[in-house]
Amino acid sequence: AQKVTQAQTEISVVEKEDVTLDCVYETRDTTYYLFWYKQPPSGELVFLIRRNSFDEQNEISGRYSWNFQKSTSSFNFTITASQVVDSAVYFCALTGDSQGNLIFGKGTKLSVKP
Amino acid sequence: EAGVAQSPRYKIIEKRQSVAFWCNPISGHATLYWYQQILGQGPKLLIQFQNNGVVDDSQLPKDRFSAERLKGVDSTLKIQPAKLEDSAVYLCASSSAGGPGNTIYFGEGSWLTVV
Repeated sequence: AQKVTQAQTEISVVEKEDVTLDCVYETRDTTYYLFWYKQPPSGELVFLIRRNSFDEQNEISGRYSWNFQKSTSSFNFTITASQVVDSAVYFCALTGDSQGNLIFGKGTKLSVKP
Repeated sequence: EAGVAQSPRYKIIEKRQSVAFWCNPISGHATLYWYQQILGQGPKLLIQFQNNGVVDDSQLPKDRFSAERLKGVDSTLKIQPAKLEDSAVYLCASSSAGGPGNTIYFGEGSWLTVV
């Protein structure tokens, strides 16, 4: 069975601090895809990144970076120099060969205080 | 490019009443999903359509929930009769195709409160 675990329920930081959101996954699929979504208070899930299981290169996009490590089944997300606008719930999600729909973690609520 | 559109955004109904939610996916997207998100949890798939056919409805409570996508474009999700535990956000999403690697784009959701 596929599973995504986000052990951090809530994180609170002060603006300009760096913060890392953890994601651990379980799957038996050889080919799978990992995603991060941001959910602001408005409710819409905003797509941030997609990674396939064969690409372990870390990725950086502005203040956002992602660290994918197959050896530990983790796909962690770091926000550098956090801003108040980063306050949201962040979800890690997984799809694989065995199914096309997303399996979500429970989310991590990030609060960035000024 | 317009995103996934949903309506209504908010609905409050009494238990045993019925409610319907509408979704218009991103233009050209063949695959449409309905997810249920209970407060404090991640979204859970209710049903997946490929064009106007159902791909996966294994987690849809079929005794009270129904969904259709008759012309392969927009879709309606209905709950009848509603229960208190149906209070949740109902998220519609779409993707260009239904494979596991395709990015799924979400709407803002329809917030349902059953009292």
